[in-house]
Amino acid sequence: EVQLVQSGAEVKKPGESLKISCKGSGYSFTSYWIGWVRQMPGKGLEWMGIIYPGDSDTRYSPSFQGQVTISVDKSISTAYLQWSSLKASDTAMYFCARTVSPLYPFDIWGQGTMVTVSS
Amino acid sequence: EIVLTQSPDFQSVTPKEKVTITCRASQNIGSSLHWYQQKPDQSPKLLIKYVSQSISGVPSRFSGSGSGTDFNLTINSLEVEDAATYYCHQSSSLHHAFGPGTKVDIK
Repeated sequence: EVQLVQSGAEVKKPGESLKISCKGSGYSFTSYWIGWVRQMPGKGLEWMGIIYPGDSDTRYSPSFQGQVTISVDKSISTAYLQWSSLKASDTAMYFCARTVSPLYPFDIWGQGTMVTVSS
Repeated sequence: EIVLTQSPDFQSVTPKEKVTITCRASQNIGSSLHWYQQKPDQSPKLLIKYVSQSISGVPSRFSGSGSGTDFNLTINSLEVEDAATYYCHQSSSLHHAFGPGTKVDIK
């Protein structure tokens, strides 16, 4: 079965760092791009960026460039989304999703990771 | 940057009724327009790709149409399980975008 399994919910304080993960299985991980999508509480979907595990080619939305870092460890079929200094406004559900190309839709989604940032 | 708008924001519908959701792009995106369904506390699910291409496992009552800047998602004969928020998504540009969503509620 093709699936993306994300790491569990996180509760952090402002200023702390965080790295969440997305592990792919059931398919050739290095042949598909992995994207990250933010959903703030009660709000819509926001496209953050995508990475190609084959060569780590990464594209960011202008809204998220410099705010987060997307990375990958293809040896363990896992993509990451990380923050160096969290803000309360980073509180959201974060989804990873798979696409065959940057010009294609996301066909498989992870279950989501809830990140709560509160003092 | 390409911006997507959707209408209506919310629609309350009776079962078996036909639903049409519109997505408009701020510039021509050709056929790079896709639709997702998101039920409460679930991940989004791909419904339609490239305007009108069906996805395996998605009921045939879901269909898409349009081109350029104006697109529609139609749900023929709505069922109770179709209560969800529907999002359009463009993949035409380097930076993708989602529409703000249309919530469909069952009367």
